[in-house]
Amino acid sequence: DVKVTQSSRYLVKRTGEKVFLECVQDMDHENMFWYRQDPGLGLRLIYFSYDVKMKEKGDIPEGYSVSREKKERFSLILESASTNQTSMYLCASSPLVDGGNQPQHFGDGTRLSIL
Amino acid sequence: DAKTTQPPSMDCAEGRAANLPCNHSTISGNEYVYWYRQIHSQGPQYIIHGLKNNETNEMASLIITEDRKSSTLILPHATLRDTAVYYCIVRVGGNFGNEKLTFGTGTRLTIIP
Repeated sequence: DVKVTQSSRYLVKRTGEKVFLECVQDMDHENMFWYRQDPGLGLRLIYFSYDVKMKEKGDIPEGYSVSREKKERFSLILESASTNQTSMYLCASSPLVDGGNQPQHFGDGTRLSIL
Repeated sequence: DAKTTQPPSMDCAEGRAANLPCNHSTISGNEYVYWYRQIHSQGPQYIIHGLKNNETNEMASLIITEDRKSSTLILPHATLRDTAVYYCIVRVGGNFGNEKLTFGTGTRLTIIP
């Protein structure tokens, strides 16, 4: 079974702090994604990566950065946390396959509160 | 990606088959139907996907109509742990799998003891 592990289920931080969210997958997937999920807004893509050291902006990259130094690990960084970044953060991974019809597999999420 | 329509909520008795419908009348020929579910406070869980043939795995069956404008997810013997929000998604294939997912509002399925 695919395993995507997010480092924390719940996290509380203060405004202005630099916050790191970690994600590790054990299936040797090339693609990794960071989403946030908010009530009424659904799932929104922040960043994704299709290879080590490669990254692409999603729909809402402002205020975030990412790091992919190793294939299995994809980190999301909130440079200076703000209260509007309080949300459920979801990491996902999928294999890079020509044809593209492979599912993304998600971690259990990190519920982040910024006070 | 094509838009999908699902009923907002459904109930099903424990042990019975749960049949969750999805309409995707604007689906294109290269778009796949995917199903995910999300149990409260957990990440979305992939269930099954298909293009035009019916599919079955250890979790569920997916029935796609011949014109591909609708589909049904079947959980053959529902348990209380199947209580979740179920999302039907239509995605284009052929992009190396790195395109984003977009969830609609889904169907909140409640399994009744």
